[in-house]
Amino acid sequence: SQTIHQWPATLVQPVGSPLSLECTVEGTSNPNLYWYRQAAGRGLQLLFYSVGIGQISSEVPQNLSASRPQDRQFILSSKKLLLSDSGFYLCAWSADGYSGNTIYFGEGSWLTVV
Amino acid sequence: AQSVTQLGSHVSVSEGALVLLRCNYSSSVPPYLFWYVQYPNQGLQLLLKYTTGATLVKGINGFEAEFKKSETSFHLTKPSAHMSDAAEYFCAVTGGIYNQGGKLIFGQGTELSVKP
Repeated sequence: SQTIHQWPATLVQPVGSPLSLECTVEGTSNPNLYWYRQAAGRGLQLLFYSVGIGQISSEVPQNLSASRPQDRQFILSSKKLLLSDSGFYLCAWSADGYSGNTIYFGEGSWLTVV
Repeated sequence: AQSVTQLGSHVSVSEGALVLLRCNYSSSVPPYLFWYVQYPNQGLQLLLKYTTGATLVKGINGFEAEFKKSETSFHLTKPSAHMSDAAEYFCAVTGGIYNQGGKLIFGQGTELSVKP
């Protein structure tokens, strides 16, 4: 069966520090991968999605970047965090780009920028 | 472009009562629609989805939803609420077969409280 792992689960970082959140998927190959952010009291916003290694699409301009160095690995990064980057970050995957496929979410990472 | 509106950020019901969470969507192409549930400090779990075919969709934990194209709605219901149903519920849409990458557009969420 397929599983998705995301870490770290919680993170407290000072303003201006770098960020790296990592996500891996097991039990499938060539998945679509996604990073969503859930700000307090708000819905989920798609940040990045990837249909293959090295292929990243950004949905909103921001202080964050994503990379996909391996087929089942997706990394969310920032060089200098802002207070507004605080939130709950969710990695997700789907089998391919067919829109009817279920998107499966990881357990999330809480980021607090102080 | 697609969008989702969930009516009511908070819904409270008594245990055993009907649960009705409202979702209206906007889409310029035939939509695919989803309901997800999120328990505190956890990721999202799929409850049910509509892609094509039967418009009444049954999901896990006794939930169901009906796609009504004429009303652009996809409301979530459960006949009898249980305490374990207390969570946040998200409605989401994609642009059907025209959506590249399978991206989901989420509503703002509805927090369901269940009173004993």
